Amino acid sequence: RKEVEQDPGPFNVPEGATVAFNCTYSNSASQSFFWYRQDCRKEPKLLMSVYSSGNEDGRFTAQLNRASQYISLLIRDSKLSDSATYLCVSYSGYSTLTFGKGTMLLVSP
Amino acid sequence: SQTIHQWPATLVQPVGSPLSLECTVEGTSNPNLYWYRQAAGRGLQLLFYSVGIGQISSEVPQNLSASRPQDRQFILSSKKLLLSDSGFYLCAWSRDTGGYTFGSGTRLTVV
Repeated sequence: RKEVEQDPGPFNVPEGATVAFNCTYSNSASQSFFWYRQDCRKEPKLLMSVYSSGNEDGRFTAQLNRASQYISLLIRDSKLSDSATYLCVSYSGYSTLTFGKGTMLLVSP
Repeated sequence: SQTIHQWPATLVQPVGSPLSLECTVEGTSNPNLYWYRQAAGRGLQLLFYSVGIGQISSEVPQNLSASRPQDRQFILSSKKLLLSDSGFYLCAWSRDTGGYTFGSGTRLTVV
């Protein structure tokens, strides 16, 4: 049973573009959500938490829609260094996180 | 500040050989510890987690095992590796409900 689903991409965008990723989760008991970033052949790193009210961190905006059970990540003014795989993550208790398979973003000059 | 160490970075092992991967955390006490595996083209799969010394929960039945002999040490082992054990193994720690910090990972190739 897949609990967190994401479009694998890749999303190919030019520098300066705005790009949005969505992910859906199936466990309505999920309590918290996060976006992680994973560079090629590297470990995932926490990008930001996702709050019900929506939150912004510089060029990144995360939104949570509990009614529809989806989470979004918006990246404005894309940089070459934003190229990575973005993992959508849910926390449902018992001290463990459930990871989506990730969405690949490729930003080109 | 907290740091997590994982080694080795890469490993090539023959089928049937044993495995031992080690992970240690510094700068915190009683962390939650995790072992994940990421196979090529697939998502992160939770293998084991531990909320305290000697407490191990297994998520996926397989020929791997984990141990936590000390508060900040987490070990992943196998007595006999299979080809399907190849993958990117990641250790992580957390203090609460989020904000996992991952080690740099071990890329295991079973040949």
